[in-house]
This record gives sequence, structure tokens and C-alpha cells, in this order.
Amino acid sequence: AQSVTQLGSHVSVSEGALVLLRCNYSSSVPPYLFWYVQYPNQGLQLLLKYTSAATLVKGINGFEAEFKKSETSFHLTKPSAHMSDAAEYFCAVSEGGGATNKLIFGTGTLLAVQP
Amino acid sequence: NAGVTQTPKFRILKIGQSMTLQCTQDMNHNYMYWYRQDPGMGLKLIYYSVGAGITDKGEVPNGYNVSRSTTEDFPLRLELAAPSQTSVYFCASSSGTNTVLTEAFFGQGTRLTVV
Repeated sequence: AQSVTQLGSHVSVSEGALVLLRCNYSSSVPPYLFWYVQYPNQGLQLLLKYTSAATLVKGINGFEAEFKKSETSFHLTKPSAHMSDAAEYFCAVSEGGGATNKLIFGTGTLLAVQP
Repeated sequence: NAGVTQTPKFRILKIGQSMTLQCTQDMNHNYMYWYRQDPGMGLKLIYYSVGAGITDKGEVPNGYNVSRSTTEDFPLRLELAAPSQTSVYFCASSSGTNTVLTEAFFGQGTRLTVV
């Protein structure tokens, strides 16, 4: 069964600093991987997704993530944090389509951006 | 462009009462999901459906039931509400085949309190 682990439930960075949010996955087949962002009292919005094409995936708002099969990782990065990036971020994994498809989320990482 | 619509947005239930959370999508997606979100726990999959007439249990199905009689609708039923079901509930949908999966689109959530 697929699963994801997000290391660090809370991450704090200074405005302009590098953002690194960690995600490790477990999957018995080549996975689909996603990063979502949730602003307070809102639903989830897709940041980016990996679907077995390029291993470096670029998303919205300057975020990107790199799929590393050898490390079973899909960490999210942004070179320079903005105050507006403060939100909760979720990594998710799916083993693809078909009759047994599930979309499983990690426990989330709350990102704080200090001025 | 409505996307995924959940009703109600807020609800207070007494212990032992029942209710149905409604979810409808207008994107002709075959996959639909119900999640609950609790602080620090991320999103837990309750039930999911790969198409009309087909549903399956997720990570935390106890105390809930679902049905999928049409492509558009995926209601979640709570039969005997318990305080442990106090949570924020999200419905989501996505499109996929055996080899392709799109990202999931989320509703705005239903905040349920059981007292």
C-alpha cells in the first residue's frame, strides 16, 4: 500500500530564504506524486505533480520538486520565500488509475515565513 | 465553473444523530474521494469511488457510509454521530484510467461538530 511521510510538521524560514519541505513516499509501483497547498479555512490547491515524465517538476508560485527514485523522495523547494507562502503543504501519492486507485496524503507541514 | 461543491459548509450535530454530507462535481470525473482533516493528522481517506456504482474503503471508514449512483454525486452518510467525528470533511474528484491520473480537485470543506 502506498504512503507518504512528511518530515517536520512545522518549518519556519525568513523572507527571502530557501524553502525546503521534505516528502518521502512508499509505493509498490511507479507512483504519481503531488504537492498541495492549503491556506487557512480553504480547500486544497494543487502546486505541482509528478507523473513519470521529467523528474524535476515546476509548479505554481515559483515552487518546484524533484523526484528521486533512489531516495524515494519528492521534496518541495522554492529559492526565495515570500510572506504569502505561509500556509500548510501536503504531499500525496497515488499508484495510478484503475480499480484500486487511492490518493493518500501525508500529515502536512505548516510553513511560517518570518519578516 | 463550479468544480466540486460540498454542502453544508458548517453543521452541528448531537451525539447519535445522523446526517448526509453532499458532494457533487461537474467535471465528469470518474474518481471521487472523501477525506477528513484533523489538526496535525493531515487528510485521512474515508471512502473513495472509481466510478458510478463502485465504492471502496479508505484508511478510516468506520462510522461512515457512501454511495455513488451517478457520476456527479458522492454523498457521505454518518449514521450515529459521535464526538470523534468532529472534523473538517473534504470531497475531491479526479479523472483517470489504468495508466493516466489527473490531479484531484477539492471542495471547500464541511466543518462538522458533534456535541
